[in-house]
This record gives sequence, structure tokens and C-alpha cells, in this order.
Amino acid sequence: DSGVTQTPKHLITATGQRVTLRCSPRSGDLSVYWYQQSLDQGLQFLIQYYNGEERAKGNILERFSAQQFPDLHSELNLSSLELGDSALYFCASSPAVAGQGYTFGSGTRLTVV
Amino acid sequence: GEDVEQSLFLSVREGDSSVINCTYTDSSSTYLYWYKQEPGAGLQLLTYIFSNMDMKQDQRLTVLLNKKDKHLSLRIADTQTGDSAIYFCAESMNSGNTPLVFGKGTRLSVIA
Repeated sequence: DSGVTQTPKHLITATGQRVTLRCSPRSGDLSVYWYQQSLDQGLQFLIQYYNGEERAKGNILERFSAQQFPDLHSELNLSSLELGDSALYFCASSPAVAGQGYTFGSGTRLTVV
Repeated sequence: GEDVEQSLFLSVREGDSSVINCTYTDSSSTYLYWYKQEPGAGLQLLTYIFSNMDMKQDQRLTVLLNKKDKHLSLRIADTQTGDSAIYFCAESMNSGNTPLVFGKGTRLSVIA
């Protein structure tokens, strides 16, 4: 157990639907990062939150949004789902002190049918 | 911009050493990381190196950093079948509390 918890582990949904992925960071970590891993694109950074505030944005589609709550857990919302959104979605967390490494959760596998 | 390149495949015999290479473009990279991903699993941090270091050794793992050439390598001594996985190189900038930029990963196959 890495200390980063992601739920659900698997999700199958239809095109056009909306889903919410949840991440609880490692205890004490203030930053949460969301990544998408697909076969042809590798690991793509989506968005980062630090202590409740958006810190950095990557290749996140407008149909996707995220937030980090006061208890530091984060949710990634994916709407108007398309077949191409099928991927593994990883959450990672890191502490405020640099050089401690980034800890990844085991991911949510999203399948859009 | 930031870019991290890795070769996609590497095959070695059990007991041999594996060397996985990575190049990066951003000279302001502060920390460089190696992650391991086994089938169906998340990413496991193997080791990392601060940019003012040339080498770091941790048991069977040796990381070499050539800042001039922006080249990073991971050597696995006495490679075992359990080392078969995808290995990702990643970089981060500034204080380290910034998003990691990953390479596409090197798939290591260990032949018994």
C-alpha cells in the first residue's frame, strides 16, 4: 500500500456519461497530481492541486475538471465521455518538502463503451 | 519545452546487467526519477537523483547523471525475472513540488 488511495479501481460507463474519480493523498502530502495513461500517449499530466488551490494545468480537456477539498482529498470529474477517454487515471501526491518523491496510487481503469 | 526520451524496449538475460537510458531537454531540471510499473499496477518509485549529483547507488540500482549531455541512466545489476516491467524516467523542476514530466517508458523483458 503506497498510502495514496484511489477509488474506484475499475469503471465501465457509456459514451456521453459523467464519472467522478476520487483520490486520497498520502498523510501529510499537500500536493495532488492527476495523470492519464493511455497506450499511445504514455503518462500525460492533467492537473495539480496544492493545499486546495489549483497549482498547475497540463493537457486537461475542458470536459474534465478537478478539485481538492479541505481534507486534501481530490476528485477528477470527467463528463461527456468519449471512447478515447478510456485509460488508466493515476493520482499522485507529494509533500511540501522537495526531493521526497512522488507517491502514486494504483489507478482507476476507465472503460468507455 | 520539457521533453523526456527513452528507448521503448530492452531485453536481457537473467543474471546480466540492464542499462536503461533516458535523455531530457530542460536544463533546469532539479530532480530526476526512475519509476517501475508492473503489469496492472501503479508506479513505484525506485530511486531519484538530485541534479548536483553524478551518481547514486542503492543496492542493485545505480543511477548515473550526465548533466552536460542531459543523459540519465539506470543500471540494474544481476537482473531477475521479477525486474520485468516498464521503467519510466521523469524530471521535475524548481523545488520539486511541480508536476513530473515522464518519458514514454522502457519495457524491460528478462529472459530466464
